[in-house]
Amino acid sequence: EAGVTQFPSHSVIEKGQTVTLRCDPISGHDNLYWYRRVMGKEIKFLLHFVKESKQDESGMPNNRFLAERTGGTYSTLKVQPAELEDSGVYFCASSPDRVKAFFGQGTRLTVV
Amino acid sequence: DQQVKQNSPSLSVQEGRISILNCDYTNSMFDYFLWYKKYPAEGPTFLISISSIKDKNEDGRFTVFLNKSAKHLSLHIVPSQPGDSAVYFCAATSYNTDKLIFGTGTRLQVFP
Repeated sequence: EAGVTQFPSHSVIEKGQTVTLRCDPISGHDNLYWYRRVMGKEIKFLLHFVKESKQDESGMPNNRFLAERTGGTYSTLKVQPAELEDSGVYFCASSPDRVKAFFGQGTRLTVV
Repeated sequence: DQQVKQNSPSLSVQEGRISILNCDYTNSMFDYFLWYKKYPAEGPTFLISISSIKDKNEDGRFTVFLNKSAKHLSLHIVPSQPGDSAVYFCAATSYNTDKLIFGTGTRLQVFP
């Protein structure tokens, strides 16, 4: 069974540019989450999809971040325009239920 | 305001000995706790979990203990192996939310 896949694994962009991260969850998992880890700190929740609907987006830092989940399958997280403080590792996770989440390998975003 | 705290950023243990990783939480609404293990350049991997109605859960070399009155949980690894060297994250969730609240992680190093 394929796990959670994230693209790209690394991205280096200049401040003010746009970046789109993609996540392909495990097939059949209705729940999809985005998390972020900044500078070795805790892994912080960004938002949660159930199928194509946003269930909870309380962790989204500001309106420069836009997440979508097309048809309840893959998800994208767009940052526009990117700022220096957006640098970090963005993790996507999927889950068949409310507790045990399976994480992707993460996308390391560096904004210079 | 960090609801899940891992106060030890690192731990070094000799192979064959017991590793004890600690985690404290502040939110009494948390009803499910998880430990994740993370290797460099990989996403967190689920290790073991415990419901708040239990005080112990065991899976092979890994045991999680929960002390609700102290709002404290711990992960015991015995015997420790070099392959256990990784960053361990404690996470918690409550019945009215599906998001995981993570601690900052503890880096475990198991040396021969």
